[in-house]
Amino acid sequence: DAGVIQSPRHEVTEMGQEVTLRCKPISGHDYLFWYRQTMMRGLELLIYFNNNVPIDDSGMPEDRFSAKMPNASFSTLKIQPSEPRDSAVYFCASSPGRGSEKLFFGSGTQLSVL
Amino acid sequence: AQKVTQAQTEISVVEKEDVTLDCVYETRDTTYYLFWYKQPPSGELVFLIRRNSFDEQNEISGRYSWNFQKSTSSFNFTITASQVVDSAVYFCALSGVNYGQNFVFGPGTRLSVLP
Repeated sequence: DAGVIQSPRHEVTEMGQEVTLRCKPISGHDYLFWYRQTMMRGLELLIYFNNNVPIDDSGMPEDRFSAKMPNASFSTLKIQPSEPRDSAVYFCASSPGRGSEKLFFGSGTQLSVL
Repeated sequence: AQKVTQAQTEISVVEKEDVTLDCVYETRDTTYYLFWYKQPPSGELVFLIRRNSFDEQNEISGRYSWNFQKSTSSFNFTITASQVVDSAVYFCALSGVNYGQNFVFGPGTRLSVLP
């Protein structure tokens, strides 16, 4: 299996621009997670989906952030407009089951907003 | 609310030394799951181990061992005869029966193994 695939690996943009991060989960996994990692806050769960439906988005920092999962093999995390404080590594992860199952992480997207 | 504490922010050891990374958790659930992940300098998150709350048996995998003690709410990780390749950030995580905000990561411990 190819694992969780994220794109792009690196994104550099200017403040105010729209940013779209992409994720392809492992086939057959019913759960998909978006995490953000910063030095100050560590790994934060932003949102997770079950069977393409957003279950908990309480971690999404503000309305500038939105996430979609139009089908079982694709998800996007969009930031519009982006701000310098959004600079972080964004990880996507998928899992085949419930809380007992480990998360399989993608390689992450390093986002820099100038 | 569930919480994971890793009090050691950074640890430095010399190669071949043993090192223990501490993890203390808080939960009101009777059923829960504990995990350790490794994040090497390349940045990916690598799964190391999962333990459920009903299994307090310690586990050994090569140079790695884990000590789970419900009485002290701890799930510590020991690396025996450390190697330079062990240098990474190590995260302890806690999950309830269901996902969501119940799957929380500790702040991580940065381990540097010096040659």
